[in-house]
Amino acid sequence: GQNIDQPTEMTATEGAIVQINCTYQTSGFNGLFWYQQHAGEAPTFLSYNVLDGLEEKGRFSSFLSRSKGYSYLLLKELQMKDSASYLCAVSWNQGGKLIFGQGTELSVKP
Amino acid sequence: DGGITQSPKYLFRKEGQNVTLSCEQNLNHDAMYWYRQDPGQGLRLIYYSQIVNDFQKGDIAEGYSVSREKKESFPLTVTSAQKNPTAFYLCASSSGQVTDTQYFGPGTRLTVL
Repeated sequence: GQNIDQPTEMTATEGAIVQINCTYQTSGFNGLFWYQQHAGEAPTFLSYNVLDGLEEKGRFSSFLSRSKGYSYLLLKELQMKDSASYLCAVSWNQGGKLIFGQGTELSVKP
Repeated sequence: DGGITQSPKYLFRKEGQNVTLSCEQNLNHDAMYWYRQDPGQGLRLIYYSQIVNDFQKGDIAEGYSVSREKKESFPLTVTSAQKNPTAFYLCASSSGQVTDTQYFGPGTRLTVL
């Protein structure tokens, strides 16, 4: 199967750093996306990883280890507006389809 | 402005009625997708189309139908055969390569009474 696992919920404090993990099956892996989704809204693209290593974009960074089937999204200097669901999505060698994890609901508290 | 539009944002229907959700994009994308999202869950793929006049079933296609007569449009019909149609429906598009980012419309929340 093409399972993706990520924690259901996380809580962090404003100004802190939080790491959201995602694990997936490695066979046929093409690339991994992270999306942010606020309640009742559409997902918005955050990052894409295809090679091993860290991709940094301002306060958000995403890491990938292809051999371990592991990625994480790192959010620094947390703000209240970062409270949202974070979706990990993986493309495998099946022609244009993405499989989404269940999402991690992040609550940022003062 | 380039983007993806879905209408309406909220839709109510009686049980047993078919309903069609619209999705239009002016990004010149080849591929379009329909997802369903239930509370506290991720997105599940209903149907996708990588080129005009062609589409494939996703993971939960039963009770749904689509058409792709134009590059810009990919309407989804929720039929009476869909047992639990109440959900948040999201349309997305991409250039079509497996590594291309998918961009989402604002979604339609369908409630079947």
